[in-house]
Amino acid sequence: AQSVTQLGSHVSVSEGALVLLRCNYSSSVPPYLFWYVQYPNQGLQLLLKYTSAATLVKGINGFEAEFKKSETSFHLTKPSAHMSDAAEYFCAVGGNTDKLIFGTGTRLQVFP
Amino acid sequence: SQTIHQWPATLVQPVGSPLSLECTVEGTSNPNLYWYRQAAGRGLQLLFYSVGIGQISSEVPQNLSASRPQDRQFILSSKKLLLSDSGFYLCAWGGQPNTGELFFGEGSRLTVL
Repeated sequence: AQSVTQLGSHVSVSEGALVLLRCNYSSSVPPYLFWYVQYPNQGLQLLLKYTSAATLVKGINGFEAEFKKSETSFHLTKPSAHMSDAAEYFCAVGGNTDKLIFGTGTRLQVFP
Repeated sequence: SQTIHQWPATLVQPVGSPLSLECTVEGTSNPNLYWYRQAAGRGLQLLFYSVGIGQISSEVPQNLSASRPQDRQFILSSKKLLLSDSGFYLCAWGGQPNTGELFFGEGSRLTVL
């Protein structure tokens, strides 16, 4: 069985500050892990994914995430927030299929 | 390139009325297709998935059903809507085998009054 826990349903940062969105997973098989972003009233788009290669994964828009097996974590970071980063972010876990289990999401607010 | 489309984009329906949401994929064949529902504060809940024409797996018991009449068409239906069916419905397809990556449509927002 697989599950994902996103800590913090809302995160607020100032423009230029570090963004850290937390995700912990549970999986009985080697996991594939994903971060998706959703802008208001739109579908989800892929930010980045981990599929058992490099543990530090770089994605679009300056985001990156590090897979830490010992901590069962896959936290999303960005060194400097931009106003356009305001959105909802979803962490997801899968195996070697495309049937994904999503977390409940974290809404990121960026203040000027 | 592959694209995925959903319609209608928004829908307001009375309780007890029927529902039909449609999803189509272009530029690929025999995709795995998924229906997710996003309710406020509850993340994305997988409702149905399909690996081929006429093959539907239901993840949760509910008031909804799904059908796949054609390879690249996936339909979400209900005979009688409930208030609790309100939400944002997302269709997705599995882009490449064994990568776990999903590509999502633009979503359909359903409000049941």
